[in-house]
Amino acid sequence: GENVEQHPSTLSVQEGDSAVIKCTYSDSASNYFPWYKQELGKGPQLIIDIRSNVGEKKDQRIAVTLNKTAKHFSLHITETQPEDSAVYFCAARATNAGKSTFGDGTTLTVKP
Amino acid sequence: NAGVTQTPKFQVLKTGQSMTLQCAQDMNHEYMSWYRQDPGMGLRLIHYSVGAGITDQGEVPNGYNVSRSTTEDFPLRLLSAAPSQTSVYFCASSYRGLTEAFFGQGTRLTVV
Repeated sequence: GENVEQHPSTLSVQEGDSAVIKCTYSDSASNYFPWYKQELGKGPQLIIDIRSNVGEKKDQRIAVTLNKTAKHFSLHITETQPEDSAVYFCAARATNAGKSTFGDGTTLTVKP
Repeated sequence: NAGVTQTPKFQVLKTGQSMTLQCAQDMNHEYMSWYRQDPGMGLRLIHYSVGAGITDQGEVPNGYNVSRSTTEDFPLRLLSAAPSQTSVYFCASSYRGLTEAFFGQGTRLTVV
């Protein structure tokens, strides 16, 4: 089955700096890679996703890059703000698979 | 449009008791799944369903049962609660294909 590894497990940055979280996956059949943000006491919410036919996607301060050959994808947050502090999860999923495999999460802390 | 609704939000059980965690979605999603979230271990898949009448096991299915008699509902049953089942449980749903999963707010379960 699919295995997703996520690094780092914790990340602390100063407000305004950039943050990068990396994930690797094992199953070459995976072709959908979402990123979720989980705030305290809430369920995860999608912040950005990328499909395997695209190498990069950007949405304001958030971007995701995908390297299919190396089987890794990354989340980039620029100009971080204190409200970006949360747990971030990456996931991988194959077409018509009823399930996603999640990384173990990264706790991001943005210091004012 | 309520999204994914989980009940209850909190529950305390005694070892050996049984209970059902409810999950309902009003988005006509084909896929539904249950995850448990433990500290430092991310989201682990318990059971999932790709449509009414179809269920399958995830990564950690032991001690849990599911059924999917309708598209909207996907209850998770704990047959005989154990302290190892103390966790936060999330239900998620999504459309078929490469689309995001929508999560409920979670059920925090404590087994004493």
